[in-house]
Amino acid sequence: DGGITQSPKYLFRKEGQNVTLSCEQNLNHDAMYWYRQDPGQGLRLIYYSQIVNDFQKGDIAEGYSVSREKKESFPLTVTSAQKNPTAFYLCASSIVPGQGKETQYFGPGTRLLVL
Amino acid sequence: AQKVTQAQTEISVVEKEDVTLDCVYETRDTTYYLFWYKQPPSGELVFLIRRNSFDEQNEISGRYSWNFQKSTSSFNFTITASQVVDSAVYFCALRSTSGTYKYIFGTGTRLKVLA
Repeated sequence: DGGITQSPKYLFRKEGQNVTLSCEQNLNHDAMYWYRQDPGQGLRLIYYSQIVNDFQKGDIAEGYSVSREKKESFPLTVTSAQKNPTAFYLCASSIVPGQGKETQYFGPGTRLLVL
Repeated sequence: AQKVTQAQTEISVVEKEDVTLDCVYETRDTTYYLFWYKQPPSGELVFLIRRNSFDEQNEISGRYSWNFQKSTSSFNFTITASQVVDSAVYFCALRSTSGTYKYIFGTGTRLKVLA
């Protein structure tokens, strides 16, 4: 079945540690996105990528980094510079925006907690 | 500026009641897309509907219906004969067709359907 997978489901980070969240899709989508969700709030865009080897900062990119070496994969690293990383992280993918029928589809999410 | 407002933070209804979730948006674009997503307790956002700004026809899908009115910048979502499985957080989102094509999410409405 086509879809988006995220791992792990839960992730614990120690102070000063970098951690990486995985996102893989087999929908043949060119565009991929990372969102952060805090309790009682909507989704906020961290980074997005419309094509391999290219990505753009979203609204809250500070303390995060990404790579897009393969079409199927868009890992997100939460660095030690992110002082308040506890949140629910959602990955999404879509066809390239602007083609008219683009809809973002989401993975199951990763919940990051700080020890 | 673009914005999506979901003024209803939480709604509780008894099973079999009808319920309407409100969504009001702001945009200066003449072409845009509106979306509704459902987030059950598992966390994954499930796509429900996409509507483009040129199509003001109301849509019905089973117990779900959507009322899009450009004159009032609203895109409301009604669940008829609600069921316990409808309990979730529902998000309305706006996508611009200019600039970054990013999605603007509302803060969500938590729906509790009581048996």
